[in-house]
Amino acid sequence: DSGVTQTPKHLITATGQRVTLRCSPRSGDLSVYWYQQSLDQGLQFLIQYYNGEERAKGNILERFSAQQFPDLHSELNLSSLELGDSALYFCASSVVGTGEQYFGPGTRLTVT
Amino acid sequence: KNQVEQSPQSLIILEGKNCTLQCNYTVSPFSNLRWYKQDTGRGPVSLTIMTFSENTKSNGRYTATLDADTKQSSLHITASQLSDSASYICVVSASGGSYIPTFGRGTSLIVHP
Repeated sequence: DSGVTQTPKHLITATGQRVTLRCSPRSGDLSVYWYQQSLDQGLQFLIQYYNGEERAKGNILERFSAQQFPDLHSELNLSSLELGDSALYFCASSVVGTGEQYFGPGTRLTVT
Repeated sequence: KNQVEQSPQSLIILEGKNCTLQCNYTVSPFSNLRWYKQDTGRGPVSLTIMTFSENTKSNGRYTATLDADTKQSSLHITASQLSDSASYICVVSASGGSYIPTFGRGTSLIVHP
């Protein structure tokens, strides 16, 4: 158990819908990262937050957005969903200065 | 452009045998290199992390090496077990503060009894 929690574990929704994925980092970790992993693909970095502020952006679509709240939990919002958005979405948290990231169990999103 | 290439893409070995996975990178300036193990459908778990000055690091039956001059790393698994069946991902971070990593596509290892 990495100490990072993600909810829900599974999500099935229809095209055009909007969903919110939630992540709680390890206690004391200020940084949160979001990744997308499509079937048989590598992990793709989406976005990083540090202590409530956006720190870095990767290949995140304009239909996707995220935020980190004062209690350090983070949410990833996916809107106007398309079939190609079906994937595993991972959240990771880290201690500043080490680069070591701890991954959550992931949310499996299926868009039908 | 920062890139991480892993080989082989997939590997099948018999239980008890050793194997070596390769990682070549072009990330610059280099900060650290990590190997992760990812079981199917689960989050990656860190095996080793190495900085520029380290060229070998072990974690049980896993030994990672780093050659910063040639920008190559390897992960050696000794006396493989069925539970080693997983994807092994090489991740390289550049220095600069945000530690945004570059991920390899992974090597899928299957250990047969």
